[in-house]
Amino acid sequence: DAKTTQPPSMDCAEGRAANLPCNHSTISGNEYVYWYRQIHSQGPQYIIHGLKNNETNEMASLIITEDRKSSTLILPHATLRDTAVYYCIVRSNAGGTSYGKLTFGQGTILTVHP
Amino acid sequence: DSGVTQTPKHLITATGQRVTLRCSPRSGDLSVYWYQQSLDQGLQFLIQYYNGEERAKGNILERFSAQQFPDLHSELNLSSLELGDSALYFCASSVAPGAGSYEQYFGPGTRLTVT
Repeated sequence: DAKTTQPPSMDCAEGRAANLPCNHSTISGNEYVYWYRQIHSQGPQYIIHGLKNNETNEMASLIITEDRKSSTLILPHATLRDTAVYYCIVRSNAGGTSYGKLTFGQGTILTVHP
Repeated sequence: DSGVTQTPKHLITATGQRVTLRCSPRSGDLSVYWYQQSLDQGLQFLIQYYNGEERAKGNILERFSAQQFPDLHSELNLSSLELGDSALYFCASSVAPGAGSYEQYFGPGTRLTVT
């Protein structure tokens, strides 16, 4: 699975959009981009994933560049409860020895302040 | 609430002991994953089961073993415990074995403290 690079930390004001970048320059054609977050030692929470096209759900939007080498997770109106570690993960959709495992990096610590 | 349950929430035990962590996947999910999160190693994949069969292994020590039962719940057995095994242990589940774009849903974790 391709390696990802994320900034170690970011700040965001409550009510503003939080834009979390992720670099995955070695991504291959069958690899999806997944975003998870972990709030203070709770179990990681799935947010969104995509392959090529931009995706949106009730939690966030995912913008993937045309060359797929980077992506941005957007939380449109951040709240204090969005303070968490956000993980960008690239995973193959093929089978094989890696199957479904997720490889977590260090993630980005997002702090939403009043 | 992800629908994945884990018991116990906390476990304190001594070095050299053996413990069993239990996980019940979301209804309908056939695949179970175990992850370990320690302060120095971050979140690491240990092992995956699908419908009772082992499918993938990660950085799981030989002192650790797991299984998935016919009712699809899974147990992670940790033996000859060392201080360094103190960590959060998470279970996750998904519909399929992992191929395809299937998200995993994580349980609340078991915090293991080895003294």
